Amino acid sequence: GAGVSQTPSNKVTEKGKYVELRCDPISGHTALYWYRQSLGQGPEFLIYFQGTGAADDSGLPNDRFFAVRPEGSVSTLKIQRTERGDSAVYLCASSDGRSGANVLTFGAGSRLTVL
Amino acid sequence: AQSVTQLDSQVPVFEEAPVELRCNYSSSVSVYLFWYVQYPNQGLQLLLKYLSGSTLVKGINGFEAEFNKSQTSFHLRKPSVHISDTAEYFCAVSPIGANDYKLSFGAGTTVTVRA
Repeated sequence: GAGVSQTPSNKVTEKGKYVELRCDPISGHTALYWYRQSLGQGPEFLIYFQGTGAADDSGLPNDRFFAVRPEGSVSTLKIQRTERGDSAVYLCASSDGRSGANVLTFGAGSRLTVL
Repeated sequence: AQSVTQLDSQVPVFEEAPVELRCNYSSSVSVYLFWYVQYPNQGLQLLLKYLSGSTLVKGINGFEAEFNKSQTSFHLRKPSVHISDTAEYFCAVSPIGANDYKLSFGAGTTVTVRA
């Protein structure tokens, strides 16, 4: 598509529930990224995919967080047993993956609220 | 690791007045530098970037920034703002090399333009 698309735009859930957030990157972009933006802060890196594989998942805060990209396009961020501290805007970005200065294009984000 | 400090959390400014948003960074390696803008309920949009070459970088919407290596700064300026420039602005850096996808963001500066 023309831009990075994220769904849902807003998600309200209860503590302990399971949540999935979806990202559809720019067509042809091989690299995909998830960032998390907590209230009053800048975005923080979570995970980077090159194709279907997670090339760097060092930013995932704990094992409740998991992400997949099975066909090298759409990605899903999965959060198990949600906690109130998981409330944030989850941003997805993509790039063409060429070496030499990756420039990321971000989606509008999925705002997650855990009650 | 890199860190970014945006020295002003909020900047009120009158329409047609100039604005400067200050950004300082810390890094043990050479970095690329970016400014992103986030309009209400929208994703992060790249304003400009410094990769190499001339230290004065021009971006979209009349913004420019100057990279000062000795002062580790990358301040953003616009000579005359419009109401539509009301938004949150984020400075970010990434390490040059294989991990250049790992952006470190500042906490953001909220610019409010008043008539």
